[in-house]
Amino acid sequence: AQKITQTQPGMFVQEKEAVTLDCTYDTSDPSYGLFWYKQPSSGEMIFLIYQGSYDQQNATEGRYSLNFQKARKSANLVISASQLGDSAMYFCAMRDQGAQKLVFGQGTRLTINP
Amino acid sequence: DAGITQSPRHKVTETGTPVTLRCHQTENHRYMYWYRQDPGHGLRLIHYSYGVKDTDKGEVSDGYSVSRSKTEDFLLTLESATSSQTSVYFCAISETLYSNQPQHFGDGTRLSIL
Repeated sequence: AQKITQTQPGMFVQEKEAVTLDCTYDTSDPSYGLFWYKQPSSGEMIFLIYQGSYDQQNATEGRYSLNFQKARKSANLVISASQLGDSAMYFCAMRDQGAQKLVFGQGTRLTINP
Repeated sequence: DAGITQSPRHKVTETGTPVTLRCHQTENHRYMYWYRQDPGHGLRLIHYSYGVKDTDKGEVSDGYSVSRSKTEDFLLTLESATSSQTSVYFCAISETLYSNQPQHFGDGTRLSIL
């Protein structure tokens, strides 16, 4: 069965520092996608970045990058030069090829301190 | 932003009353989903739809029913609300089932059952 584990309930980082949010996953399907979502205090779920299981390179989207280590089954989100607006809950999720549902981790609450 | 509107955004009701939440999309996507978000559980799939009048159960479907009479609308009904159904409910849409396809979420409905 699919499973996502986020082991950091909360993270506190100084503004302008880089931060890594951990995510490990488990699946028996060789074809899958990994996603990160941001949920600010206003409550909406914002899609940030995607990594495919067959992608050779780590995904990047602006200040977001995904450190994908397939053998370790990890897909950590890296935020460079953190900003106060990055304070939010962050969810890692995965989806097997052809599967209906996204499987979510429990989330990491990131707080950026000025 | 994906055109997804959830209504109502907030609702307080009493145990035993019926409740219907609506999700409306303007993207003409085939797949629609209802998730609930609870502390410590991330998001969990309640029901999903893969076309007009085509629906199926997710992992936490007990006590919920859904209907989809038009491509753009997906309704979630709590036939007789219970306090355990107090939660934040998210609608999501997806164009395909390819694993690289992110689901896009509405802004959520905060439901309190007293």
